[in-house]
Amino acid sequence: GDSVTQMEGPVTLSEEAFLTINCTYTATGYPSLFWYVQYPGEGLQLLLKATKADDKGSNKGFEATYRKETTSFHLEKGSVQVSDSAVYFCALRLGGSTLGRLYFGRGTQLTVWP
Amino acid sequence: DVKVTQSSRYLVKRTGEKVFLECVQDMDHENMFWYRQDPGLGLRLIYFSYDVKMKEKGDIPEGYSVSREKKERFSLILESASTNQTSMYLCATKGGRAPSVEQYFGPGTRLTVT
Repeated sequence: GDSVTQMEGPVTLSEEAFLTINCTYTATGYPSLFWYVQYPGEGLQLLLKATKADDKGSNKGFEATYRKETTSFHLEKGSVQVSDSAVYFCALRLGGSTLGRLYFGRGTQLTVWP
Repeated sequence: DVKVTQSSRYLVKRTGEKVFLECVQDMDHENMFWYRQDPGLGLRLIYFSYDVKMKEKGDIPEGYSVSREKKERFSLILESASTNQTSMYLCATKGGRAPSVEQYFGPGTRLTVT
């Protein structure tokens, strides 16, 4: 079935380190892909998205490229900050879905130390 | 800005009690969702609704029911709470029909069943 697999955490980095969180998906057709972030004590908020192959989503220094050949949407940031400490979720929505349900990965906890 | 509010941030209930979790949105969105979030399992869809009085089961509907009498309000009901329903519950909404449109999340309700 349709699913998202993301890198297990927790991930612990020093400030200014490079971040990669891997995400791969299984889906028929052409899904839309999303990264959501959940800061401590809050709900999820959209970080970035991409809707077709080779699209690059970007926001707040984070980037992810929709790679159809490898069915991947890895999240990267060149220099993390303490304020990036949060849980990150990769998600997909099927291309033909107008109802809009999302399929989520299990989440990756990121902790950044000063 | 879209606002999604949930009736409580924290709830403590006893086994066997009937529990109501309320979600209200102010953006006239058609689609509303209830997820539960558990460590290591990510977000799992319980129920969703694409219109007033319409509902669809998600991946884990057992032990839950929902009600949508008005467009802006979507309620999750635990008919007889059990300890395995201790979790974080997240409500989300989505407007429009395009698959690329994001979901907006409420802050969550952390429910403890003792």
